[in-house]
Amino acid sequence: NAGVMQNPRHLVRRRGQEARLRCSPMKGHSHVYWYRQLPEEGLKFMVYLQKENIIDESGMPKERFSAEFPKEGPSILRIQQVVRGDSAAYFCASSRDGQVRNQPQHFGDGTRLSIL
Amino acid sequence: AQTVTQSQPEMSVQEAETVTLSCTYDTSENNYYLFWYKQPPSRQMILVIRQEAYKQQNATENRFSVNFQKAAKSFSLKISDSQLGDTAMYFCAFMKHDQKLVFGQGTRLTINP
Repeated sequence: NAGVMQNPRHLVRRRGQEARLRCSPMKGHSHVYWYRQLPEEGLKFMVYLQKENIIDESGMPKERFSAEFPKEGPSILRIQQVVRGDSAAYFCASSRDGQVRNQPQHFGDGTRLSIL
Repeated sequence: AQTVTQSQPEMSVQEAETVTLSCTYDTSENNYYLFWYKQPPSRQMILVIRQEAYKQQNATENRFSVNFQKAAKSFSLKISDSQLGDTAMYFCAFMKHDQKLVFGQGTRLTINP
């Protein structure tokens, strides 16, 4: 049973370019969460999505960042016009439903984004 | 807003020793969940152990156990018989009903041979 799959594992972009990070949740999971980890820091919540819906985007920067989780295909975190400060590890997690009691969030291996 | 504090940036012990990592949190919620995640050099995020706040019994997973003190808002992790493979960053995390994990700054644990 495959876990949460994120790709690419490493992504290098120049300032001003766009970055697209992909996340395929575990089989049977319909809830996806994105977190960002700056160097030497803990993970910070960005956005929580269910299929075709954004549940909570309170941790997302208001500009340049967007996320989607379409009916078919992976969840996408999109960063437009990247800047050096966007360099970080971006982690995706998934859960079966919104009930924490039965199962926790399972994390992918992350995408390390480097901005030149 | 909830906050999670890990007061030990780094710790180092000898193999086979027992080590305790500290975590405190601040919340006005009564029902919530607490977690410890491990992040080895490979940078994966691996769930180590979790605790539901409504359960008084401390969670245990093999060599890993917690000391959950709800009144003190403390959630420490004890690793017994430590192994070289336990070397990693350890993050304490809090979650209430909104599904958002709130992480501490982490403790870098090194197990020395």
